Amino acid sequence: QQQVKQSPQSLIVQKGGISIINCAYENTAFDYFPWYQQFPGKGPALLIAIRPDVSEKKEGRFTISFNKSAKQFSLHIMDSQPGDSATYFCAASRGYQKVTFGIGTKLQVIP
Amino acid sequence: ETGVTQSPTHLIKTRGQQVTLRCSSQSGHNTVSWYQQALGQGPQFIFQYYREEENGRGNFPPRFSGLQFPNYSSELNVNALELDDSALYLCASSLDQDQPQHFGDGTRLSIL
Repeated sequence: QQQVKQSPQSLIVQKGGISIINCAYENTAFDYFPWYQQFPGKGPALLIAIRPDVSEKKEGRFTISFNKSAKQFSLHIMDSQPGDSATYFCAASRGYQKVTFGIGTKLQVIP
Repeated sequence: ETGVTQSPTHLIKTRGQQVTLRCSSQSGHNTVSWYQQALGQGPQFIFQYYREEENGRGNFPPRFSGLQFPNYSSELNVNALELDDSALYLCASSLDQDQPQHFGDGTRLSIL
């Protein structure tokens, strides 16, 4: 059972463009929604996270939008750069532990 | 740099063998979790240890077992290896249950 559904699985964006990745969850007990960035040969690194009591969180070029009633959340990367090329995972958990991950989105930012 | 160190970085085993993977977390991090990441997939939760006791387990068979030591380092043991066990095994630690996890770079396990 895939509790966190993520799309698209791959994304190509021009440098300077906006990258958008969408996720949906099923378990209403989830109360922590992080996004991770993973480069080849490395472990996932926490990028940004949100709690369901807010609808949006912004950190630099990265923004999470959260829709609790629809059980959906998304990551927007503004002014995408070639260095942003990586695999991005949305995730969800109850508390900070035992995290359930999406399938991942491989982002390629082309010059 | 997360301070979570995993060893070895790569490992090749054959079906039926047993393997032990190791994780050293930051000082004082009393919670450690193990995840399996198959190629092209997101990490899947295997189990968690909190202050040396197992504290939750995902949908993995009993041949996946673990230990957490008094210094909070940890081991993941897998018996009777199967081809489908080929994956990146990730260790994540946190200062406590109410703190975010920090991942190591994983051990790449290949089963022939």
